[in-house]
Amino acid sequence: GAGVSQSPSNKVTEKGKDVELRCDPISGHTALYWYRQRLGQGLEFLIYFQGNSAPDKSGLPSDRFSAERTGESVSTLTIQRTQQEDSAVYLCASSLKDRGYGYTFGSGTRLTVV
Amino acid sequence: AQTVTQSQPEMSVQEAETVTLSCTYDTSESDYYLFWYKQPPSRQMILVIRQEAYKQQNATENRFSVNFQKAAKSFSLKISDSQLGDAAMYFCAYCWAAGNKLTFGGGTRVLVKP
Repeated sequence: GAGVSQSPSNKVTEKGKDVELRCDPISGHTALYWYRQRLGQGLEFLIYFQGNSAPDKSGLPSDRFSAERTGESVSTLTIQRTQQEDSAVYLCASSLKDRGYGYTFGSGTRLTVV
Repeated sequence: AQTVTQSQPEMSVQEAETVTLSCTYDTSESDYYLFWYKQPPSRQMILVIRQEAYKQQNATENRFSVNFQKAAKSFSLKISDSQLGDAAMYFCAYCWAAGNKLTFGGGTRVLVKP
């Protein structure tokens, strides 16, 4: 596609429920990143995928968070047993190379846990 | 660990005037990239300008320019001839040249007064 597409745009869920967030990267971009942005704060790195290599999960805050990506296609970020502190905007980005420049970000999913 | 600090939570500027946003960072690496991103209410992060640490010349993109002081680990953004469309959150970010994760500052909100 022309840009990085994320769905849903907004999600309200009840505490304790599981949620899945989707990211569709730019076609041909081998690298894909997930970041979390809490209200009024900067972005925190969550996880990085590069082609078929093992993902870098060093930013995942707890074992309730997981993400998958098949090859160079869509990625899903799953949060199990959501907590109120999980409320944030989750941003996805993709890049052509596995370096920190050349990122294209999506518009994010705003997750609200009530 | 790398850290990025933006000490100004909010800056206000009159239309057509100039505003400068501050950013300092901490790293033990010598080769890295620095970025300024703009985040409008649409949430999408838009790359404003990029600086490569090994280049002494300050980057410029139209009305946007940086003052990169490597020894002081300072990377400020100057917006000249401010326009109403410049109103947004601005984030400073760092990436090690051989790495892939961006480390973000907490952001500065820019308000543009007509």
